[in-house]
Amino acid sequence: DVKVTQSSRYLVKRTGEKVFLECVQDMDHENMFWYRQDPGLGLRLIYFSYDVKMKEKGDIPEGYSVSREKKERFSLILESASTNQTSMYLCASSVAPTTTNEKLFFGSGTQLSVL
Amino acid sequence: SQKIEQNSEALNIQEGKTATLTCNYTNYSPAYLQWYRQDPGRGPVFLLLIRENEKEKRKERLKVTFDTTLKQSLFHITASQPADSATYLCALVRDDYKLSFGAGTTVTVRA
Repeated sequence: DVKVTQSSRYLVKRTGEKVFLECVQDMDHENMFWYRQDPGLGLRLIYFSYDVKMKEKGDIPEGYSVSREKKERFSLILESASTNQTSMYLCASSVAPTTTNEKLFFGSGTQLSVL
Repeated sequence: SQKIEQNSEALNIQEGKTATLTCNYTNYSPAYLQWYRQDPGRGPVFLLLIRENEKEKRKERLKVTFDTTLKQSLFHITASQPADSATYLCALVRDDYKLSFGAGTTVTVRA
């Protein structure tokens, strides 16, 4: 069974801290994504990676960076956490975009609170 | 600007009835559209995909329609059950193959 695992369900951090959110997938998928989800706004794409060490900015990359050193692992980094980064963070993966069946497999999410 | 709008109000229905959810979009020309289910505190789970040349798709008690002229997809849950209570998200594929998501509609089915 397909699995995307996010390391933490809940995190509480202080303003200015550097925060690491980890995601691991066991499906050998090429693509990995980080989204944030806020009430009334839907899921917004932060960053995308289509291969090891490759990354692309999504729609709201400001204040975030990512790392993909191994195919199965995609990390989201908040360089200096701010209160407006309090959100639910969702990691997802999918097969390469050469198919037209690009469904996403999501992790359970990390609810991050920045105080 | 590009927009995806789903029913802004939560949907409360009686068990056994049909729930109909709406997804309207502007300034997109999606090759396909997807629907996901999300339970509280969980990530979304893929339900159905419908392509632009398909009018209708079914999976068990779920039915999706896609009208590219109206720029609208309808998602139906027939013979609804309390276990169908969840938030349902529509997602459109963009030209860059990324998905853009609506904010979701929360459905509550009363026994």
